[in-house]
Amino acid sequence: GNSVTQMEGPVTLSEEAFLTINCTYTATGYPSLFWYVQYPGEGLQLLLKATKADDKGSNKGFEATYRKETTSFHLEKGSVQVSDSAVYFCALILIAGGTSYGKLTFGQGTILTVHP
Amino acid sequence: EAEVAQSPRYKITEKSQAVAFWCDPISGHATLYWYRQILGQGPELLVQFQDESVVDDSQLPKDRFSAERLKGVDSTLKIQPAELGDSAMYLCASSLGPATNLFFGPGTRLTVL
Repeated sequence: GNSVTQMEGPVTLSEEAFLTINCTYTATGYPSLFWYVQYPGEGLQLLLKATKADDKGSNKGFEATYRKETTSFHLEKGSVQVSDSAVYFCALILIAGGTSYGKLTFGQGTILTVHP
Repeated sequence: EAEVAQSPRYKITEKSQAVAFWCDPISGHATLYWYRQILGQGPELLVQFQDESVVDDSQLPKDRFSAERLKGVDSTLKIQPAELGDSAMYLCASSLGPATNLFFGPGTRLTVL
């Protein structure tokens, strides 16, 4: 089946530190990959996405590159801010082939806390 | 900016009672999803609609959960009877079609006592 595995948290950083949250996936078909963010008390928001191998998604200073050879989609940011404190979810959706077409499958989430 | 609406935002109920959640997707979005998010875990798909038809309910506990989207617009998710293990955040999402960007509502937080 399809699955997403994220690095376990929580992750605690100081402001302006470099952030990496690891994400690897298993898929029976051809997935698009996503990072969603959930701020305290809010719903999930799409942070960035990549639809094919070697694509780089970016938004708000965050980046992630679709690596088919390592089945990974690691999230990075060069300098985090206190306002980045949230839960980050890696996810995939099959766009062709395999079962569960159109079904968004999430990782377990990584809690990020940024201190001033 | 159009948003997915959900109500209520919070619900507290006692076990064995019935509860219902409502979702109004973004206008024009044909695909609607209900997800359950247990604290500390990622969301898990309960049911996916394409217009008014169910296309995936493989993870829906059908003995107690039901979902409908009668006119292919808004949707209701019902639990009867509620159990302690049903305490979670219930998220609704919509998209123009399968495998396109999902937009999530704020969720309904259910607490079963």
